[in-house]
Amino acid sequence: GQNIDQPTEMTATEGAIVQINCTYQTSGFNGLFWYQQHAGEAPTFLSYNVLDGLEEKGRFSSFLSRSKGYSYLLLKELQMKDSASYLCAAMDSNYQLIWGAGTKLIIKP
Amino acid sequence: TAGITQAPTSQILAAGRSMTLRCTQDMRHNAMYWYRQDLGLGLRLIHYSNTAGTTGKGEVPDGYSVSRANTDDFPLTLASAVPSQTSVYFCASSDSTSGDTDTQYFGPGTRLTVL
Repeated sequence: GQNIDQPTEMTATEGAIVQINCTYQTSGFNGLFWYQQHAGEAPTFLSYNVLDGLEEKGRFSSFLSRSKGYSYLLLKELQMKDSASYLCAAMDSNYQLIWGAGTKLIIKP
Repeated sequence: TAGITQAPTSQILAAGRSMTLRCTQDMRHNAMYWYRQDLGLGLRLIHYSNTAGTTGKGEVPDGYSVSRANTDDFPLTLASAVPSQTSVYFCASSDSTSGDTDTQYFGPGTRLTVL
């Protein structure tokens, strides 16, 4: 079957760095997406990886290892506004997104 | 830029009643999607449409129907609502269904409660 695993909840301190991990098993693979979702709001696109390696975009970076079925989202210089859920989603061979349940990130001052 | 709009924002519905959730996008995207989001679960695909005039079933299609008469609109209908359909419903769209333009963009959601 197809499956996405990510931690349910993480806590970090303002100004620090946090890494949110995601492992995936899909029928075929056409890329890995990360979305941010604030409480009561819609998911918003953060990053897309289809090749192995690190993609950096400001304070946020995303890493992919296709051979390990593994990705992580790295958030640097954490701000209170980064408190949100982070959703990992893998695109399968039919170009359908398989979604993880999300990681709720709590930022403490 | 409006992007994707959904209506209503929220609704309380009696079990057995029908309802249509509306979704409109102004980005001229080819593909559109309906998801439901429940606590502790990932987004689950209900129905999708790769282009106007075509639709397909997702992971949880039972009890729902869709139509795609034109590029902009993708309504979701519950023919006879049941309490298990209580959820937050998100509509999304993408420019294509393959390649690097398949990033999905979401509407603000409809919170539906079926009593």
